[in-house]
Amino acid sequence: QKEVEQDPGPLSVPEGAIVSLNCTYSNSAFQYFMWYRQYSRKGPELLMYTYSSGNKEDGRFTAQVDKSSKYISLFIRDSQPSDSATYLCATSYGGATNKLIFGTGTLLAVQP
Amino acid sequence: GAVVSQHPSRVICKSGTSVKIECRSLDFQATTMFWYRQFPKKSLMLMATSNEGSKATYEQGVEKDKFLINHASLTLSTLTVTSAHPEDSSFYICSVRGRGGTEAFFGQGTRLTVV
Repeated sequence: QKEVEQDPGPLSVPEGAIVSLNCTYSNSAFQYFMWYRQYSRKGPELLMYTYSSGNKEDGRFTAQVDKSSKYISLFIRDSQPSDSATYLCATSYGGATNKLIFGTGTLLAVQP
Repeated sequence: GAVVSQHPSRVICKSGTSVKIECRSLDFQATTMFWYRQFPKKSLMLMATSNEGSKATYEQGVEKDKFLINHASLTLSTLTVTSAHPEDSSFYICSVRGRGGTEAFFGQGTRLTVV
């Protein structure tokens, strides 16, 4: 079993739709959860960063962590064509030198 | 977030030659740097972790003599692919993390093509 599972998609939605992206993880020791956005042929860009359970909102983006079910989500409201990218979830045990464990990424296409 | 510059953005080299990729943290003291490899439509695969002034720690299955990593300062790390072969063609990405930090910031990646 992979440590982080993510549906690779592709996911295609019309402009303005609410997008829900999800990951599950296997190790309850993970404490930090991140979402990255990666445009084609570019490095990942940090979108959201959450410690432990709960919600975090930033503009049109909301990250949600449910440690009891080992489930992490990213919601995008009023999706735009510019949101079209691959979204990667990542977890970490914490600490500066601990590595990030990435999901495979979900390819999102927002149709104008 | 930190500004991370990776150079070159793309490189084509002949089989058997060596290629050096630089990763610079422009506004951030990167005590830890990570090097990843990414295949098309796949996730990032961690190759090695390096702490400033120490030898890099390589992930299982990554040849340390083939992928030489030097973390010379708090702002610079280099990855050298030695005696490159076509199967080394990939997208290589570095990321940086500061002392006490958990967030990681990524460079824009280097597309290596070995012909």
